[in-house]
Amino acid sequence: NAGVTQTPKFRVLKTGQSMTLLCAQDMNHEYMYWYRQDPGMGLRLIHYSVGEGTTAKGEVPDGYNVSRLKKQNFLLGLESAAPSQTSVYFCASSSPRGKTGQNEQYFGPGTRLTVT
Amino acid sequence: GNSVTQMEGPVTLSEEAFLTINCTYTATGYPSLFWYVQYPGEGLQLLLKATKADDKGSNKGFEATYRKETTSFHLEKGSVQVSDSAVYFCALRDAYGQNFVFGPGTRLSVLP
Repeated sequence: NAGVTQTPKFRVLKTGQSMTLLCAQDMNHEYMYWYRQDPGMGLRLIHYSVGEGTTAKGEVPDGYNVSRLKKQNFLLGLESAAPSQTSVYFCASSSPRGKTGQNEQYFGPGTRLTVT
Repeated sequence: GNSVTQMEGPVTLSEEAFLTINCTYTATGYPSLFWYVQYPGEGLQLLLKATKADDKGSNKGFEATYRKETTSFHLEKGSVQVSDSAVYFCALRDAYGQNFVFGPGTRLSVLP
C-alpha cells in the first residue's frame, strides 16, 4: 500500500515550457486535491475532484489545468510555466465525509518545481 | 466562510519543555478537526484528529481536545523532543465534507 505518490519529485522548467505532474493513490479514495505551498503562504488549494471525470476550481486555479480520467490518478498541468509558479506542489486524497475513521486527507511527498 | 487561525511562530523550546500551539476555527455546523505535521522536505502527515465536540485526539504524546464552546483545538505535549522539530498545521473539514481549510502552520524548533 503506497498511499499517495507523486511524480516527478523535482523539476526545473524554463518560462513558457509546459509539464504535467502526476498524482496516484491506491486507497480507492473518491476525492483528490492539488495544493501549492509557498513560504509564508501556507497551503493553497489549486483544483480538486470529487470523482472520476469531475474537477473543480480551488482558491488559486489560474495557470493550471487538471484531469481525472481514472479514479486513482489526478493530473496537474502547467501549459505555459511562469516564475510565479515556482513552488512545492502537494497532492492529497480523501474519502467522502461520513466514512467512519476515514475523515482525513492523505498527502503525497510533494513535487518541488522551479521555473526560471 | 470557514477559517482556521493558529499562532504562526516560530516557536523555540528547550528539550523536555511543555508545548502549546493554539488553534481556533470558524465554521458552520460540526466540522472535523485535525493536526498535521510536516517534517523538512516531506509531505503533511496526520498527527491526530477529533470528529465531535469534547473528543480528544492523541498520538505520540501530543493531545488536542475539540472545544465547541470556544471553537478551539489547541495542540499540547508535556515534554518535547528534538525530533518534534517540524511545522504543525491545524485544519478542519467542513460539515459538507468536500474541502479542508488549513491554518498557516507553526514552525517548532526544539533545542537540545
